[in-house]
Amino acid sequence: AQSVTQLGSHVSVSEGALVLLRCNYSSSVPPYLFWYVQYPNQGLQLLLKYTTGATLVKGINGFEAEFKKSETSFHLTKPSAHMSDAAEYFCAVTRGASGTYKYIFGTGTRLKVLA
Amino acid sequence: GAVVSQHPSRVICKSGTSVKIECRSLDFQATTMFWYRQFPKQSLMLMATSNEGSKATYEQGVEKDKFLINHASLTLSTLTVTSAHPEDSSFYICSAPDRVSSTEQFFGPGTRLTVL
Repeated sequence: AQSVTQLGSHVSVSEGALVLLRCNYSSSVPPYLFWYVQYPNQGLQLLLKYTTGATLVKGINGFEAEFKKSETSFHLTKPSAHMSDAAEYFCAVTRGASGTYKYIFGTGTRLKVLA
Repeated sequence: GAVVSQHPSRVICKSGTSVKIECRSLDFQATTMFWYRQFPKQSLMLMATSNEGSKATYEQGVEKDKFLINHASLTLSTLTVTSAHPEDSSFYICSAPDRVSSTEQFFGPGTRLTVL
């Protein structure tokens, strides 16, 4: 079975500081990994995804994540936080097999950006 | 990217009534769609998989008679919350997979249901 753990339900950073949101996964098959952002009362927006190939993945809004198989991690980072980055972030995993789309979501991390 | 819409965005209803939520894939066809519910400050929980032309597949613990799902066409899935109660109040989100790349889902904007 697959699972996702997001360490830290709340993370606060100062504007301009490094953002690091942690995600660890468990999967018996090669995973596909995703990071989504959700603003209040809105749906999910894809930030980035890892399927195969390069383990360092760059996404929108300056975010990136690195797939580390040995650590079963897919942490999300951004060098410099903006006020507009304040939102809820979800890590998700699905099977690395075409045609299987069920997502397992982490519990989410609420990012607060301090002025 | 592909667009998924939901209607309505917000709905308030009285206890005991039924509410229908629509999920549409606007520029692509989706033989499969997913329905999630999200309680305040919590993660998304998959409720069911909607299959075009066949019965939906429900996750363990989800009452199929309470949450009726119909996938009548390749672009429309509906979720009907029957005999709604206050505990059904939640944020309902649908998604549809990308059939081309087969690697991700596209999410609708969600429907906020409040049952009085």
